[in-house]
Amino acid sequence: DAGVIQSPRHEVTEMGQEVTLRCKPISGHNSLFWYRQTMMRGLELLIYFNNNVPIDDSGMPEDRFSAKMPNASFSTLKIQPSEPRDSAVYFCASSSTGKKSNQPQHFGDGTRLSIL
Amino acid sequence: AQSVTQLDSQVPVFEEAPVELRCNYSSSVSVYLFWYVQYPNQGLQLLLKYLSGSTLVKGINGFEAEFNKSQTSFHLRKPSVHISDTAEYFCAVSPNTGFQKLVFGTGTRLLVSP
Repeated sequence: DAGVIQSPRHEVTEMGQEVTLRCKPISGHNSLFWYRQTMMRGLELLIYFNNNVPIDDSGMPEDRFSAKMPNASFSTLKIQPSEPRDSAVYFCASSSTGKKSNQPQHFGDGTRLSIL
Repeated sequence: AQSVTQLDSQVPVFEEAPVELRCNYSSSVSVYLFWYVQYPNQGLQLLLKYLSGSTLVKGINGFEAEFNKSQTSFHLRKPSVHISDTAEYFCAVSPNTGFQKLVFGTGTRLLVSP
């Protein structure tokens, strides 16, 4: 079975550029989560979607960050303009929870983002 | 709101020795509890979860954890570790109602040496 697929695996870009991270959740999963992992702050939930609808975006750090889920098989996280402090590993996860919180989330391998 | 404390940032241990990774949580509501493992350059993988019922839960790779409500702890244990268990381990909690919203601890790096 294909797991959660993220692209690109690595991204290096200059400050001020637009960055788009992509995620394909596991087929049949109806919840999708974006996380950011840094040494200083650990793993933080940025946003989660249920049935393609954003449910909680309270973790999105600033207006420079936006996320979309146009259909059940694709989501993007965009940073515009990017800043060096956005450097981190960004993970996408999916699950079949819906309104039940007892199912595990399945994580992708992450995108390592470096903003110079 | 929930919070998770993993007291040890790093735990060195010799191969075939037992290990315990500590996790304490704080929450004003009932929670589900999870342990995830992260190998280098990979995403997180679920080891085990506590939802309800028996307080001792068994997971993959020979790991187990015990939920202690009075001490608000969910420590992870393995009786005999392997070199391949070297990884970062994360404890997480989520409210047991509504949408799943995981709050992670800061992680414990398990270093297994021969």
